[in-house]
Amino acid sequence: AQRVTQPEKLLSVFKGAPVELKCNYSYSGSPELFWYVQYSRQRLQLLLRHISRESIKGFTADLNKGETSFHLKKPFAQEEDSAMYYCALSGHNYGQNFVFGPGTRLSVLP
Amino acid sequence: EAEVAQSPRYKITEKSQAVAFWCDPISGHATLYWYRQILGQGPELLVQFQDESVVDDSQLPKDRFSAERLKGVDSTLKIQPAELGDSAMYLCASSQRETQYFGPGTRLLVL
Repeated sequence: AQRVTQPEKLLSVFKGAPVELKCNYSYSGSPELFWYVQYSRQRLQLLLRHISRESIKGFTADLNKGETSFHLKKPFAQEEDSAMYYCALSGHNYGQNFVFGPGTRLSVLP
Repeated sequence: EAEVAQSPRYKITEKSQAVAFWCDPISGHATLYWYRQILGQGPELLVQFQDESVVDDSQLPKDRFSAERLKGVDSTLKIQPAELGDSAMYLCASSQRETQYFGPGTRLLVL
């Protein structure tokens, strides 16, 4: 069964420090991985997807199929990065479940 | 910018009552999703529509939950009868390709 795990419920870092939010997945095949973000009082929104290989708001994520991981990284955290981050997985086959992880709350301290 | 609309935003109901949620996706988005998000957890997919057809309802508790998208545009999710454990945020999302756009959600409290 498809599954996404995010081991940290809460991650606190100081402004300017590097940040890494961990995501591991289980899927028998080649899934598509996403990071979604929810800022305070805003809707859940897409941050980035592995297939596009782009950097959004300074965040990057690399799909490591050997370790089945898709960790989210940013070299210098900003206070406005404080939010709830969800890793998600989608199978390529039509009708595959879209599965979210439990989320990690990132708090960037001044 | 077009957004997904949901109503009501909040709903308080008593156990065993019926409750319904409405979602209006972004115009032109063929795919519509309903999620349930329990406090402290990630969203859980309940049902996925492609136009008016259900393509995945494997996680929908079909004894009490139903969903429809009759004309392939807006959608309704119903719970009858509601149970205490149904208290959660119900999110709707729509997509044209891979990116899902989420609505603000309906927070349900069952007393």
